[in-house]
Amino acid sequence: GESVGLHLPTLSVQEGDNSIINCAYSNSASDYFIWYKQESGKGPQFIIDIRSNMDKRQGQRVTVLLNKTVKHLSLQIAATQPGDSAVYFCAGLDSNYQLIWGAGTKLIIKP
Amino acid sequence: DTEVTQTPKHLVMGMTNKKSLKCEQHMGHRAMYWYKQKAKKPPELMFVYSYEKLSINESVPSRFSPECPNSSLLNLHLHALQPEDSALYLCASSQVAGGLYEQYFGPGTRLTVT
Repeated sequence: GESVGLHLPTLSVQEGDNSIINCAYSNSASDYFIWYKQESGKGPQFIIDIRSNMDKRQGQRVTVLLNKTVKHLSLQIAATQPGDSAVYFCAGLDSNYQLIWGAGTKLIIKP
Repeated sequence: DTEVTQTPKHLVMGMTNKKSLKCEQHMGHRAMYWYKQKAKKPPELMFVYSYEKLSINESVPSRFSPECPNSSLLNLHLHALQPEDSALYLCASSQVAGGLYEQYFGPGTRLTVT
């Protein structure tokens, strides 16, 4: 079946350092992946997406890497800021083309 | 305007009450979604409306009844809920249905069933 999962429930990073959040997916998960950010008291917010014909995609201070060989993707946040504190979800698509979500990683920024 | 609004922000209801959650978007999106999110968990899809028609019901109990009066509005009618239904209820919309299209989420309604 389809599944998407994150490796760590919590990640603590020093302000200014880079953050790397990892996610794994199963054999039959989609060829399209999305990262969402959910701040406290808010709904999830789209950050960046990537299709399986790409290995890497960059946005503003964020990069998503997709390794199809080991079925792994990661979200890298450069120069982490206090405003990056949130729960980060990776998501793929199920057989109905609806989002299937990973468990989420809470990113904590240390001053 | 890329905002999805939800009312109320918080709702406390008894198990015999009837209440409704409301969601609104003015982005011209033709797909709208209800998700349920428990603490420290990802959102779980409940319903999908596409062009004002219910297209997906993820085996949600009948005590939750969705309604899409028009393309901008989505309601979730609640009746005879259980304490385990306490959660954050998120509404989202996208250009058309499906995860390939960016979903815009509202801030959610925090529901407590007593």
